[in-house]
Amino acid sequence: DARVTQTPRDKVTEMGQEVTMRCQPILGHNTVFWYRQTMMQGLELLAYFRNRAPLDDSGMPKDRFSAEMPDATLATLKIQPSEPRDSAVYFCASAGGGKDEQFFGPGTRLTVL
Amino acid sequence: QKEVEQDPGPLSVPEGAIVSLNCTYSNSAFQYFMWYRQYSRKGPELLMYTYSSGNKEDGRFTAQVDKSSKYISLFIRDSQPSDSATYLCAVSSGSARQLTFGSGTQLTVLP
Repeated sequence: DARVTQTPRDKVTEMGQEVTMRCQPILGHNTVFWYRQTMMQGLELLAYFRNRAPLDDSGMPKDRFSAEMPDATLATLKIQPSEPRDSAVYFCASAGGGKDEQFFGPGTRLTVL
Repeated sequence: QKEVEQDPGPLSVPEGAIVSLNCTYSNSAFQYFMWYRQYSRKGPELLMYTYSSGNKEDGRFTAQVDKSSKYISLFIRDSQPSDSATYLCAVSSGSARQLTFGSGTQLTVLP
């Protein structure tokens, strides 16, 4: 049963701490997206990669957010330092196999106190 | 103005009702149109996908796109309590590219 996995599922941290979220895309998918979902802003694209290369990260605050794909099976989103306004659900999605459908992971619910 | 506007709801209907969910978009460059369903504390899952004007049907679900009006709709026939979820429209300017989502409509189907 192929699915996108994300860890951790829930994260509570204090302002100023570093947060790292991890995503394992579906095996064989070559495009990975990071989204953030809040009640106020809805679902917003932060960044996406194709074949591990960043294609667009214009939705991401550059001063504190960074996204990487160390290898084809792992994507990371890091926030340093975290702020209360970063509290949201962060979703990873992957696509590939010649199809357009994006498969979403279960999300990481981040709370920054 | 947001690129994609979606009727916010929430929407509450009795079981068996026909549900109509709607979005408008502003950029004619958008060529791909999708509807996602999101259950509470889950990730969105794709329901319908189309890239042309007209209707596309899948079981109880029909997606409708009118590119001339920049208007997209999702109809659910014979709605069931299991359809209770948030429905998100999404648009894209290219295949396998980033999606721009509507704000979502929360639907509750009452038994």
